[in-house]
This record gives sequence, C-alpha cells and structure tokens, in this order.
Amino acid sequence: GEDVEQSLFLSVREGDSSVINCTYTDSSSTYLYWYKQEPGAGLQLLTYIFSNMDMKQDQRLTVLLNKKDKHLSLRIADTQTGDSAIYFCAERTDKLIFGTGTRLQVFP
Amino acid sequence: DVKVTQSSRYLVKRTGEKVFLECVQDMDHENMFWYRQDPGLGLRLIYFSYDVKMKEKGDIPEGYSVSREKKERFSLILESASTNQTSMYLCASSLGRTSGGRGQYFGPGTRLTVT
Repeated sequence: GEDVEQSLFLSVREGDSSVINCTYTDSSSTYLYWYKQEPGAGLQLLTYIFSNMDMKQDQRLTVLLNKKDKHLSLRIADTQTGDSAIYFCAERTDKLIFGTGTRLQVFP
Repeated sequence: DVKVTQSSRYLVKRTGEKVFLECVQDMDHENMFWYRQDPGLGLRLIYFSYDVKMKEKGDIPEGYSVSREKKERFSLILESASTNQTSMYLCASSLGRTSGGRGQYFGPGTRLTVT
C-alpha cells in the first residue's frame, strides 16, 4: 500500500546544513512535495519535484530524488532559527499521501 | 494572494455535540480536502471533494460527514463528537486534478478538543 516515512526529529546548529529524509513506496508518484508547518499554523508548500527529475534547487533549498530507492531528501543550507518547524514530505498519485513529519529544531 | 480560511482556530465541544467546521477558499479551486493531524501520525485524509455537491471518502471517514453546496466552501461535520476526535483539523484546496506542481494550499487549522 501507499506509505511515506520520515524520521520524527532533527536537531541542528544554526549555520549548519539540515538534511531531512523521506522514503515512499508508490513508484507511480508523479510529484513529490515538501511542506513546512510553523507552530500554530497550517502547511505551507515549500517546494516540489516532478518524478522525472533528480534534483531541484531553490535558493537555500535543494531537493534530491532517488527514484530507484524511492528516497527523497530536502537539504536546507545555512539553517536559521526561523527554519525551526515541522517538515512534511508528500507524494502524489491519485491523491496526496503525507509523511508523519520531521520536527526540525535549530539551536544557536 | 492565495487564501484558505477556517472558521475557528480553537474549539471546545462536549461529547455527543454536533460540530461544524467551516472552510472557505477564495482561489476558485475545484478541489477541497479535510485532514486531521495527530502527533506521530502525520496528516490523514478524512474527505475530499472535486466539485460542488461531490464528495469522496478519504482514509478515515468514519464519524464524519461533509457538505459542499458552493464551490468556495467545504464543511466538515461531526454528527456526535467523541473524545477520540480531539485533533487538529486542516482544510486544503487545489486546482483541478492536473494541478500537479502547485500542490495544495492549507488553512491555519482548527484545534478541536472534545471533553
């Protein structure tokens, strides 16, 4: 069945890079997404990658897709305290399937 | 700017009460969704709608119903609230089925507590 998995927590020092990982099971995914949820707020679409791409870069964000291993990652360069949030990956087949979310904590 | 609004940020209801959660989007989106978010479980889809007066069950529809009488409004109804429905409820909308990379736009959420 469809399943999207993420580790629950990640803690990084301010200025370092963060890498949030995600694995999914459905090889028919067309798009894969990264959403950010700040405390007390809804989800905000950060970036997405089409399934025939390997990499997408958008300012401090780099998305890597390994379709063979069904592995998606989000790298945040020069992580700031404002990046502290929960990050969800999601895959799209006929609907969106969300992962459990990774809570990123940035400490000074 | 894209806007999805939900009628309440916080709601406290008693067991057995009928609860209405309202969601409105101003982007003329065809698709609307209701999720619930629980720690360690991520987002789980309750119901969704691809058009006015249409509704489809998601992964966890039991105990819920929905109504979509107008394109911009999607309501989630708890006919008889129970304590296991205490959760954060998120509404989302998106363009048509081929919206692809644009993804879904989310409201701020309603934190419902059933006592």
